Amino acid sequence: GAGVSQSPRYKVAKRGRDVALRCDSISGHVTLYWYRQTLGQGSEVLTYSQSDAQRDKSGRPSGRFSAERPERSVSTLKIQRTEQGDSAVYLCASSYSNRGQLNEKLFFGSGTQLSVL
Amino acid sequence: AQSVTQLGSHVSVSEGALVLLRCNYSSSVPPYLFWYVQYPNQGLQLLLKYTSAATLVKGINGFEAEFKKSETSFHLTKPSAHMSDAAEYFCAVSENTGNQFYFGTGTSLTVIP
Repeated sequence: GAGVSQSPRYKVAKRGRDVALRCDSISGHVTLYWYRQTLGQGSEVLTYSQSDAQRDKSGRPSGRFSAERPERSVSTLKIQRTEQGDSAVYLCASSYSNRGQLNEKLFFGSGTQLSVL
Repeated sequence: AQSVTQLGSHVSVSEGALVLLRCNYSSSVPPYLFWYVQYPNQGLQLLLKYTSAATLVKGINGFEAEFKKSETSFHLTKPSAHMSDAAEYFCAVSENTGNQFYFGTGTSLTVIP
């Protein structure tokens, strides 16, 4: 496709359930990020993967967040035992270069809004 | 449909000079507009946002942006560039309370000493 796409657009989950969010990045992109975004607070990097790593590095100390990359241009963010504080927009982004490389160019998806009840 | 265009993928300015990063948007409804900055190996940091209040928005680190409906623009400015401003800057639009964000492709700012 022409850009990064995410699905579903909206997700409602009952507290305590596991959820999975999908990202289809741009073919040829090396690095793939997942961000969590709230309107007033900006965003934080949840996890990222480079090259062919199927298991992503999680930046979340609780370990409830993880991502898998079954194909080079597909990633699934998994959130275990969802909490109400997990309600946010989850953004996926990808780039041609490795993380932190000078002039790394990110391409963002439009996000999945997760609501935990 | 909403979209954002950032003119100039790379901008270089001298230290102390004016910073101007351009952003134009398209939206069928009154937009919410944002500027974010990303430093290497860090997440996005919100610089400022426009949510239909004052058209001139002041943000952190001396940045400001002006919403101009007639020009569908939301350009980011800073009177005097600092070396620490070197980073990637993203403009984004959202149609209401921010449940969907549409990002530009970013502008890489280089500050020359």
